[in-house]
Amino acid sequence: EAQVTQNPRYLITVTGKKLTVTCSQNMNHEYMSWYRQDPGLGLRQIYYSMNVEVTDKGDVPEGYKVSRKEKRNFPLILESPSPNQTSLYFCASSLSSGYYGYTFGSGTRLTVV
Amino acid sequence: SQQGEEDPQALSIQEGENATMNCSYKTSINNLQWYRQNSGRGLVHLILIRSNEREKHSGRLRVTLDTSKKSSSLLITASRAADTASYFCASGDGGSNYKLTFGKGTLLTVNP
Repeated sequence: EAQVTQNPRYLITVTGKKLTVTCSQNMNHEYMSWYRQDPGLGLRQIYYSMNVEVTDKGDVPEGYKVSRKEKRNFPLILESPSPNQTSLYFCASSLSSGYYGYTFGSGTRLTVV
Repeated sequence: SQQGEEDPQALSIQEGENATMNCSYKTSINNLQWYRQNSGRGLVHLILIRSNEREKHSGRLRVTLDTSKKSSSLLITASRAADTASYFCASGDGGSNYKLTFGKGTLLTVNP
């Protein structure tokens, strides 16, 4: 089944403890992206990647890191999480042609205490 | 600034009625996309309309695009309770398809 898989689905962590949210797609998509969704603010793009080893900042990149060493994987790294990073996170992927929309993962609900 | 802005923010209708949601954007686009999100779940891509298209249909969905007004609308005909969800438009800044910006969405409630 074609899908974007995020793990974990739920995570509660403490301030300052490094964490990684994994994202993997099995559709050979070039584009991958991370979003966070907060009440009243909608979805905001954190980072995006156009292909392997090509990444760039979205609208809210502060406090996050990404890497794209393989086409299928696009992990989101929080080096020192803070409470303001408590949010619902989505990974998404798409073909580069501009004729197709994005496929989203099921989301990761992160709470930083 | 928000590339996509949906209107209205919330819409409540009865089953069987039509629902229309609007979206405005600011910069040039390659395409405009509509997504649905059931509460707390992942977004599901509904339909994509390219900048050289004016109207597109998919089942009970009809999307229009007016590039001169930088606006789009999503029409859901003969709505069902299962259509209750948030609907988002999204477009790429400056015509890109990788730097997608989403609006804050329209919450549609379809009452049985």
